[in-house]
Amino acid sequence: GAVVSQHPSWVICKSGTSVKIECRSLDFQATTMFWYRQFPKQSLMLMATSNEGSKATYEQGVEKDKFLINHASLTLSTLTVTSAHPEDSSFYICSASYTEAFFGQGTRLTVV
Amino acid sequence: GENVEQHPSTLSVQEGDSAVIKCTYSDSASNYFPWYKQELGKRPQLIIDIRSNVGEKKDQRIAVTLNKTAKHFSLHITETQPEDSAVYFCAAPNPRLGAGSYQLTFGKGTKLSVIP
Repeated sequence: GAVVSQHPSWVICKSGTSVKIECRSLDFQATTMFWYRQFPKQSLMLMATSNEGSKATYEQGVEKDKFLINHASLTLSTLTVTSAHPEDSSFYICSASYTEAFFGQGTRLTVV
Repeated sequence: GENVEQHPSTLSVQEGDSAVIKCTYSDSASNYFPWYKQELGKRPQLIIDIRSNVGEKKDQRIAVTLNKTAKHFSLHITETQPEDSAVYFCAAPNPRLGAGSYQLTFGKGTKLSVIP
């Protein structure tokens, strides 16, 4: 099947700093990618839709200035968590559409 | 947007018994219904899916049924094994984005425990 690679798998950062997460489709092109967030023992919640060459679409309640999304090529989308705070600690997962939704490995973000 | 309800939230079964998880959705235009298995700290893994032109699909011990009139779909696992223990999520895509766009709304998940 198609492969979506997400990096890093885990990251620890200090409060107030920024963290960038990459999501790559390795063997197919993805004009659209999706970013989800999953808190412990909860479901995956869609944060935003990343569109190649245009602005991302954010779900209600997600701060676009805090979660910066860039989709500069057909195989790469990045999510930057700016001025991270402990409440941003979560599991972030990207996906890209092909014959089905293909998910990255996820990134465990811990803000201390 | 789409609203997906899933129950039960937890399910314990004896090894060898069957497990059934049910989901309902709100948008009658939805036409694709995947089920995912997620182990702790891992990405969701697609285990089976069904499209709206069929009512049932089976893959070995796993089956999914779909009732479009009632807007619900169910996951059936037979002859459960300890390695089936995980969290299972149903999902439905946003039908307004068109075919091939898998922007998903997930159910809240079911933690399945298979007791040896």
